[in-house]
Amino acid sequence: DVKVTQSSRYLVKRTGEKVFLECVQDMDHENMFWYRQDPGLGLRLIYFSYDVKMKEKGDIPEGYSVSREKKERFSLILESASTNQTSMYLCASSILGGLNQPQHFGDGTRLSIL
Amino acid sequence: AQSVTQLDSHVSVSEGTPVLLRCNYSSSYSPSLFWYVQHPNKGLQLLLKYTSAATLVKGINGFEAEFKKSETSFHLTKPSAHMSDAAEYFCVVSDQGTYKYIFGTGTRLKVLA
Repeated sequence: DVKVTQSSRYLVKRTGEKVFLECVQDMDHENMFWYRQDPGLGLRLIYFSYDVKMKEKGDIPEGYSVSREKKERFSLILESASTNQTSMYLCASSILGGLNQPQHFGDGTRLSIL
Repeated sequence: AQSVTQLDSHVSVSEGTPVLLRCNYSSSYSPSLFWYVQHPNKGLQLLLKYTSAATLVKGINGFEAEFKKSETSFHLTKPSAHMSDAAEYFCVVSDQGTYKYIFGTGTRLKVLA
């Protein structure tokens, strides 16, 4: 079974801090994704990556950056955290092969910015 | 551009009765469609997927969905609800143009004893 592991289930940070969210997958998947989930809005794509050191902006990249130095690890960075970034963050991975491949999700990180 | 609409934000059913969660999509291409389930404080788990093979797709835990191109629908059904089915369900369509997955806003299923 594919396992996508997010390093923290719950995280509390202060406004202005630099925040790192880590995600690791164990199935050698090429594609990795970061979403945020807010009530009534579903999942919104922040960034995705289809290879090491490659990244593409999603629908809401402002205030975020990502890093993919190794195939199995995809990090989301909040450069200067703000209260409107309080949310549930979900990481996902999928194999290369087009959009007919399903995504595999981690359990999420619930981030609160005070 | 592709889009997906989940027609009900909340659905309540009694245990043992049928479940119907509705999803309509728009797509300029031949779409891939997915249903995921999310239990509280967990990530999303794949229930089933449609990728242009059989129009009736069977998934895990007794769920199935039917792809109807003429109605642009991909509704999720289960003959008999179980208490453990209480969760949030997401319909997802793939966007071949932008290479992204488009998520619906979710349907929260409540199962009454």
